[in-house]
Amino acid sequence: QVQLQESGPGLVTPSETLSLTCTVSGSSISYYYWSWIRQPPGKGLEWIGYVYYTGSTKYNPSLKSRVTISVDTSKNQFSLKLSSVTAADTAVYFCASLFTMMDSFDSWGQGTLVTVSS
Amino acid sequence: EIVMTQSPATLSVSPGERATLSCRASQSVSSHLAWYQQKPGQAPRLLIYGASTRATGIPARFSGSGSGTEFTLTISSLQSEDFAVYYCQQYNNWPLTFGGGTKVEIK
Repeated sequence: QVQLQESGPGLVTPSETLSLTCTVSGSSISYYYWSWIRQPPGKGLEWIGYVYYTGSTKYNPSLKSRVTISVDTSKNQFSLKLSSVTAADTAVYFCASLFTMMDSFDSWGQGTLVTVSS
Repeated sequence: EIVMTQSPATLSVSPGERATLSCRASQSVSSHLAWYQQKPGQAPRLLIYGASTRATGIPARFSGSGSGTEFTLTISSLQSEDFAVYYCQQYNNWPLTFGGGTKVEIK
């Protein structure tokens, strides 16, 4: 069973860059596609993008200009960077796995709340 | 972008009763539709994929149907642990998109 755990700062200053890491256990990071999804407080889910172990990525056009997702196969981790954040980026950020690049999300991390505030 | 619309926003149901949740896509997503359950403070849990296939460990009281643009999640006999928010998600087109959710609450 794949297990995922998000980590990173819970508070980010406006205009700065949000950085999160997801550590994968129970599976090699080479076996799946890996995504980030976010959920503003009290609202619905928004897919941010995915990365494959080769480094191939795809992003949601709504965030594409500000997002970078990367993978570190040696650490079995993948990461999210979101630049120029505003209060609208305050959300719980989840990492999740997909079996193929266009698929349902079968395993999820517990999520981490990131607040954008000065 | 495919817009996923769920209805109703809130569904009040008594334990033991049947719940029927709807999800409509703004254009056809074939059978590339998943359902998730989310409880407060938790991550979503995959219930159904391929519109009608239960994920591993999901009880048989959960069933999904539909194709194209109209989909339904049915919970045949609601248990106390089923009161939660349910989301649909399409994976037929980029970007992957979710519906706004249906909250199933105790009547």
